[in-house]
Amino acid sequence: ETGVTQSPTHLIKTRGQQVTLRCSSQSGHNTVSWYQQALGQGPQFIFQYYREEENGRGNFPPRFSGLQFPNYSSELNVNALELDDSALYLCASSLDRGRDEQYFGPGTRLTVT
Amino acid sequence: GESVGLHLPTLSVQEGDNSIINCAYSNSASDYFIWYKQESGKGPQFIIDIRSNMDKRQGQRVTVLLNKTVKHLSLQIAATQPGDSAVYFCAETPTGNQFYFGTGTSLTVIP
Repeated sequence: ETGVTQSPTHLIKTRGQQVTLRCSSQSGHNTVSWYQQALGQGPQFIFQYYREEENGRGNFPPRFSGLQFPNYSSELNVNALELDDSALYLCASSLDRGRDEQYFGPGTRLTVT
Repeated sequence: GESVGLHLPTLSVQEGDNSIINCAYSNSASDYFIWYKQESGKGPQFIIDIRSNMDKRQGQRVTVLLNKTVKHLSLQIAATQPGDSAVYFCAETPTGNQFYFGTGTSLTVIP
């Protein structure tokens, strides 16, 4: 098991609502990346945070936003939830930005009804 | 967007045989590649990585081969064990801060 934790484990929301997902990175890691994994698909990169700044973003709309805190933990916020947002949301931490090994958490399963 | 795909969505092998999982990538600028294993209910787990200045890299029971000419990546698992049953993903990055995953190959090991 990695030292990356995510909360909550499961979440059910209604279309149009907002959700916040949380991630605690592995000790000593200053970079966190977020991914969306639809059922039967590979993870899709949402964005990466390095030392509290966004360091890269995938093809996701602005209603997907994030934060990284001084202790390098992170939040993913999704506004105006849509049915297609139902997925497993994964966070991964790495020692530094760049081509470093990423350690994934177990994910948060979000269901939008 | 990036396109990282796998040739076979499922693969079944006998316990003790070698497994080969293939992956094609589309971005010739990608210079770092990773193989992940994902078991049911868990996040992806790093297996092995390779940089574009290498053609081959070996780990414990696993070997990754990179063919930049045809933009192809493969993962070889020696003496496959039941515990190797999982979905395997390849991932690439041209920048180091955006990683692109393939669809995945489901490996089933038959005892």
